Amino acid sequence: EAGVAQSPRYKIIEKRQSVAFWCNPISGHATLYWYQQILGQGPKLLIQFQNNGVVDDSQLPKDRFSAERLKGVDSTLKIQPAKLEDSAVYLCASSPRQGDYDEQYFGPGTRLTVT
Amino acid sequence: AQKITQTQPGMFVQEKEAVTLDCTYDTSDQSYGLFWYKQPSSGEMIFLIYQGSYDEQNATEGRYSLNFQKARKSANLVISASQLGDSAMYFCAMREGSFMEYGNKLVFGAGTILRVKS
Repeated sequence: EAGVAQSPRYKIIEKRQSVAFWCNPISGHATLYWYQQILGQGPKLLIQFQNNGVVDDSQLPKDRFSAERLKGVDSTLKIQPAKLEDSAVYLCASSPRQGDYDEQYFGPGTRLTVT
Repeated sequence: AQKITQTQPGMFVQEKEAVTLDCTYDTSDQSYGLFWYKQPSSGEMIFLIYQGSYDEQNATEGRYSLNFQKARKSANLVISASQLGDSAMYFCAMREGSFMEYGNKLVFGAGTILRVKS
């Protein structure tokens, strides 16, 4: 079974530029998550999709971040314009079931550096 | 207040020995779930073990066990017979409320880095 795929793996941009990350979840997984992990911290949930609908985006900075999940499969996360504090690893995860015990499978992440 | 507290920034353990990684949580919900994830230097988060708030038995998965003390709000991870490949960052995470109410939104602690010595 192929894992969660993310691209690019690394990205360096200047502040005020825009950037987009792509995630392909495990086939058949209905739920998709985007996390932000700042160096030295645990991941923080940005947005959660169930199929192509948003379940939770309460911690997404909507003035600069946007995310979509077309056709309930692939997802993109965009930052426009980027700030220095957006430097982090962006992790995508997916999960198969709808239940209390629902293991999340994570991708390798995209490391973003904003200069 | 911190939802998940991991007080040990770093730990060392000798190969083949057992190690306990501490985790305390803060919630007023009766229904919640506790997870442990491992993050090697490659960056990918790997699920290790899950404990539901209503589970009476401590969860076990191979060499991993979760020492769940509900009254103390602690969910410590015990790794038995440590191996060199266990060297990684370990995160404790909590889902508050039931899946039906909140989906599977996880709140993570700051992590503990574990180094296994040969």
